[in-house]
Amino acid sequence: AQSVTQPDIHITVSEGASLELRCNYSYGATPYLFWYVQSPGQGLQLLLKYFSGDTLVQGIKGFEAEFKRSQSSFNLRKPSVHWSDAAEYFCAGANQAGTALIFGKGTTLSVSS
Amino acid sequence: NAGVTQTPKFRILKIGQSMTLQCTQDMNHNYMYWYRQDPGMGLKLIYYSVGAGITDKGEVPNGYNVSRSTTEDFPLRLELAAPSQTSVYFCASSLGQNEKLFFGSGTQLSVL
Repeated sequence: AQSVTQPDIHITVSEGASLELRCNYSYGATPYLFWYVQSPGQGLQLLLKYFSGDTLVQGIKGFEAEFKRSQSSFNLRKPSVHWSDAAEYFCAGANQAGTALIFGKGTTLSVSS
Repeated sequence: NAGVTQTPKFRILKIGQSMTLQCTQDMNHNYMYWYRQDPGMGLKLIYYSVGAGITDKGEVPNGYNVSRSTTEDFPLRLELAAPSQTSVYFCASSLGQNEKLFFGSGTQLSVL
């Protein structure tokens, strides 16, 4: 069965430092992968998605993610974190039929000054 | 643009009561979804629909029912509310398969 795992429950990063949030997937075929962000009390907003082609994908707000098939990973990165990036981040993958998304449990990002 | 609209935003139910969470979208999206979000558990898919008249179960469908009589509306029904259904419920829609999800602002439900 497909699954998406986010190993880190909570991460704290200093403002201006770089960020990497981990995501591992378990799929048979080429996965459709997404990163979403949720600010407190809000719904989820799409940061970026990967379907095929270039394994480094660019998203909004300066985020990028790299698909590594050999490691079954799709980690999210940002070179310099801003205080406004504090939120919960969800990695997700399409189910086998491509009809819905399966979400990871999320990683909460705190930004310290 | 309204996008995806959920009502109500908050609700408290007694055990055994029933209610319907409303969801409507004005983007003419074919795909609609209901997720529940529990602390530390991420989002779990309850039901989804790929078009009017078509619904299918997700990961956690027990205790819920849905219908999709129109493209715009996708209500979620709780028939006999249980404390385990205390959660935040999100409705979402997408234009098609593997497309970006647009989320509503959520319904916080407590069953006491």
